[in-house]
Order: sequence, then C-alpha cells, then structure tokens
Amino acid sequence: GNSVTQMEGPVTLSEEAFLTINCTYTATGYPSLFWYVQYPGEGLQLLLKATKADDKGSNKGFEATYRKETTSFHLEKGSVQVSDSAVYFCALSDGGSSNTGKLIFGQGTTLQVKP
Amino acid sequence: GAVVSQHPSWVICKSGTSVKIECRSLDFQATTMFWYRQFPKQSLMLMATSNEGSKATYEQGVEKDKFLINHASLTLSTLTVTSAHPEDSSFYICSARPNTQPQHFGDGTRLSIL
Repeated sequence: GNSVTQMEGPVTLSEEAFLTINCTYTATGYPSLFWYVQYPGEGLQLLLKATKADDKGSNKGFEATYRKETTSFHLEKGSVQVSDSAVYFCALSDGGSSNTGKLIFGQGTTLQVKP
Repeated sequence: GAVVSQHPSWVICKSGTSVKIECRSLDFQATTMFWYRQFPKQSLMLMATSNEGSKATYEQGVEKDKFLINHASLTLSTLTVTSAHPEDSSFYICSARPNTQPQHFGDGTRLSIL
C-alpha cells in the first residue's frame, strides 16, 4: 500500500541555517505530494504541494521537488527563522481516476530553530 | 482562501459522557470531510471519511458506534465520541476539500476525559 517515510527528528538548527527534511514515498499510480506544517496546539496548514513529477512546490522560502526516479519530496529552506519552529508533515494523496482525496501522512519531523 | 472552522477547541468532561465536535467549511461547500486523530508527538491517523448525505466511511479498526459521524449539509460535519473514556483523550482534527483542491484543516479539538 501507499506510505510516506520522513526523517526522524527533532531537527535542531541555528537561525539562518540551511534546512533539509527528507521525505520518501511508496505509491502506485501518480500521487500528489504535500508538505503540511503544524504549530503547537493548532491544526495543519498546507505549506506547499506538487502534483506531478519534476514539479517544484514553493512557499514562504520553502521548496520541495517531486522526484519520481528517487520517490522523494525533500523539503528545503535556505535560511530558517525561529518562527519556522514547528512540526512538518509530508503527505501523499492518491491521484488519477482513484482520487479519493485521502491523505497518507509521514510521521512528522519536529524542527527547532534557536536564535 | 479556504477556511475550516472546528469547535470546540478544547473540551474536558467526565468519563461516560458523549462529546460532539463540529467541523464547518466557512467559504466553500464540501461534499467530503475527513476526521483524524493525533496522539502526542505522533502523526495523524485517518479515522473516517465523512460524505454529505450518506454514511461515513470508516478506516479499519475505528469503531463506528463509538465515533458517530454526521454530515448533514455541505458545510457541516460532526463527530460524536459516545460514552467517552480516558483512552479516547486525544487531539481530533477535521479537514475538508474545496472540490479537487488540497485538504484544508481545522485547528483541532483537544479532548480530555477525566
């Protein structure tokens, strides 16, 4: 079945450091890929998405590229801020004719950015 | 942008009571909404898919009689935790999709059963 695997956290960085959070997936067909962010005590917010191979999603300085050959969707940011501290979830949803809209989440990666 | 409102945000109640959580799509119609459960420091587990005007589709291992879902209109789905017990304490999150757009999430409901 479909699954998503993220690198384990927590990831602790100093402000202005480069961020990479690895995400790989297993899926049949052509899923859409997402990164969601969850701040403490809140629900999830969509950070970025990509719907087909080689698409690059970007938002608020974060980027991720849909790599079909490596089944990956790694999240990157060139210079993190303290306000980026949160839990980041990689997710996929089935696409094509079987699009049920269901999301399958990775286990989440906690990012802590220190001033 | 699409907004999903969830209410209440926090509820504390005694063991044995039933608790209703509401999920509303504020600026779009949602024929499908989703209910998730999240344990501390863990990922989201899909509990069920709520379908407007029909029965919800539950994921394997989720008790239908324990977690009652009603999706009576295109903007409202409710989750009722019946006869709640301490093991039901968790963070419950709903989401809704505007047409084929990505899911938008509510802010979650923290349920604590004493």
